[in-house]
Amino acid sequence: GAVVSQHPSRVICKSGTSVKIECRSLDFQATTMFWYRQFPKQSLMLMATSNEGSKATYEQGVEKDKFLINHASLTLSTLTVTSAHPEDSSFYICSARDLLGTEAFFGQGTRLTVV
Amino acid sequence: GESVGLHLPTLSVQEGDNSIINCAYSNSASDYFIWYKQESGKGPQFIIDIRSNMDKRQGQRVTVLLNKTVKHLSLQIAATQPGDSAVYFCAETGGSEKLVFGKGTKLTVNP
Repeated sequence: GAVVSQHPSRVICKSGTSVKIECRSLDFQATTMFWYRQFPKQSLMLMATSNEGSKATYEQGVEKDKFLINHASLTLSTLTVTSAHPEDSSFYICSARDLLGTEAFFGQGTRLTVV
Repeated sequence: GESVGLHLPTLSVQEGDNSIINCAYSNSASDYFIWYKQESGKGPQFIIDIRSNMDKRQGQRVTVLLNKTVKHLSLQIAATQPGDSAVYFCAETGGSEKLVFGKGTKLTVNP
C-alpha cells in the first residue's frame, strides 16, 4: 500500500516552545491530509482536515491559532503546536488520501512530550 | 488530557481461537466502514473495509460483517495469533471526507 511518513517519531520540548510535525506522502499525491490526536487508552480524535493550497478546516474545540496546519504541496502537510504546554502532550497522527479519495493511509505517529 | 476512568474495552482469547470484535455506529449516512489495527506506539494499520451496499466481506483470516439495521459492525479474526494482539478500531465515513473512529477494543491473545 501507499506510504505516509511522519517526522519526528518522538519529540520532547519545553513549555512555551513550538514544535513542527511533518507528514509526507511518499509515493502518491494527497490533496487531503488529516491530523489526529490520541491520548493514552483513547481513540483517535480528528483535529483538522488539511487541503493542499487552502486553509485547513478545524474540528470544533480545536484552536486553529495553537495548532497551525500548512499543506503547501501535494505530498507534505505540517502541524505546528505553538506555545506548547504539558496538556498538549499526546500522540499525533496524520493520514492522507490519494486523489481517488478512497482509502486513508496513516503515518506512524509522533509522540509529543511537553515538559 | 486523559479522561480519568476511561478504559478501552478488552477482549482476551486463547491462541487459535476465533475473535469477534464489535462496533456500533450512530450515523445513518455512513456508507464506508474500515477496521484498523493499532499496535503500541504506532499509527493505525488498515485491515479490511466494507461499503454499505454489502453486509459481509472476507479477507485473509478476517471477516467484516455490517448490519445497517442496527448500525453494527463486527470484525472476526480466525485462528487468532499472538501477533494479532493490538487495539482494533472501527472507522466510518459518509457524506463527508472525514473518517470518524470508534472507541477501540484491546485484543490480547494468550499463548
